Amino acid sequence: GQQVMQIPQYQHVQEGEDFTTYCNSSTTLSNIQWYKQRPGGHPVFLIQLVKSGEVKKQKRLTFQFGEAKKNSSLHITATQTTDVGTYFCAGPVRNSGYALNFGKGTSLLVTP
Amino acid sequence: DTGVSQNPRHKITKRGQNVTFRCDPISEHNRLYWYRQTLGQGPEFLTYFQNEAQLEKSRLLSDRFSAERPKGSFSTLEIQRTEQGDSAMYLCASSGAGGYTFGSGTRLTVV
Repeated sequence: GQQVMQIPQYQHVQEGEDFTTYCNSSTTLSNIQWYKQRPGGHPVFLIQLVKSGEVKKQKRLTFQFGEAKKNSSLHITATQTTDVGTYFCAGPVRNSGYALNFGKGTSLLVTP
Repeated sequence: DTGVSQNPRHKITKRGQNVTFRCDPISEHNRLYWYRQTLGQGPEFLTYFQNEAQLEKSRLLSDRFSAERPKGSFSTLEIQRTEQGDSAMYLCASSGAGGYTFGSGTRLTVV
């Protein structure tokens, strides 16, 4: 079935190092969304990408949507301990209006 | 804007009992979603409303599950004859034009 796959599953970095998580879909996506979930918390919307090849930045976070609209990435420059959490990508459920398929997420641990 | 509110925060129930959860979305949002999340997994789609109309249901939503959104405002999710496999975090979200705003969830434990 339609899925979004994320790698890596876990990433442990030293504070100040960079971090990247990748999201891949077996089908073309009309858009992709990214969410962050802190330990014990709920997912919080970060961004939506719609256009092929789109790149958006939020401070130290850079989001990319692939040219074929089948993959996406989130890159964090110079991680901080506040970046700890699980990052999920989500793409629309096929033939759905607004329901989303979430990946399994990448859990980021940052040690000082 | 008080965000998405879910009640109760935690529910422990015996296997076979019925449970009902409530979600109050952001008032300006006409779309409301229910998701289920288990440890180490991303949220899994259960069902979605636009105003009071239930537009989609996942195959995960067995006949023991029912959701309502009377008058297009708050929503309830009922699970009948609970099973241990129903233990999970049940997340409600609402949206307008952009991404979802999730509530804090209801953690269900079936013993």
